Amino acid sequence: SQQGEEDPQALSIQEGENATMNCSYKTSINNLQWYRQNSGRGLVHLILIRSNEREKHSGRLRVTLDTSKKSSSLLITASRAADTASYFCATGALLPSSGSARQLTFGSGTQLTVLP
Amino acid sequence: DGGITQSPKYLFRKEGQNVTLSCEQNLNHDAMYWYRQDPGQGLRLIYYSQIVNDFQKGDIAEGYSVSREKKESFPLTVTSAQKNPTAFYLCASTRGTGGPADTQYFGPGTRLTVL
Repeated sequence: SQQGEEDPQALSIQEGENATMNCSYKTSINNLQWYRQNSGRGLVHLILIRSNEREKHSGRLRVTLDTSKKSSSLLITASRAADTASYFCATGALLPSSGSARQLTFGSGTQLTVLP
Repeated sequence: DGGITQSPKYLFRKEGQNVTLSCEQNLNHDAMYWYRQDPGQGLRLIYYSQIVNDFQKGDIAEGYSVSREKKESFPLTVTSAQKNPTAFYLCASTRGTGGPADTQYFGPGTRLTVL
């Protein structure tokens, strides 16, 4: 089963509003990453938050992590039409037969639509 | 310009055919990965390779094969044994061998359709 699950599955907002997406996971993690995917394209890394961090900022992005609740949230402030995309959280799990290498496990994503 | 390229962008396959998807990176990254994405779903790992001439199965390797003869190339073959190959295929790489803080860099993807 997927390690990370995003909520909501779909979100539609007006330009200028804030968008909040949530991610829940099941097992202990070293870090949690957020990626963005435009329709029919590859994923682009947005931000990584380590397990000993509670909050991290990057431009209009704010990520929080609550390891006690096994959850993370991604906030996009002052959204723009160009923010329309799917957003995925990803957590690392040890790859078998790999030593320390980790596999990223992705949730099913939140589809964000920002209306102009 | 550094990055990951995948080709072709669209690929059509007849039932019973094998097809090979190309993935090339000029980032000098050690590890490379293949994922499958179905509509409205997340990514599932097919195969990964940490070094040249070595690769390992991911969660859904059945019906797929890979090779890693060169550091920069990690082609994926979708064989006729893959019962439902229609999907979006994404290749990724990491600078290290996939440690906990490694960021994955993705190619633009190949959309495979079985006719």
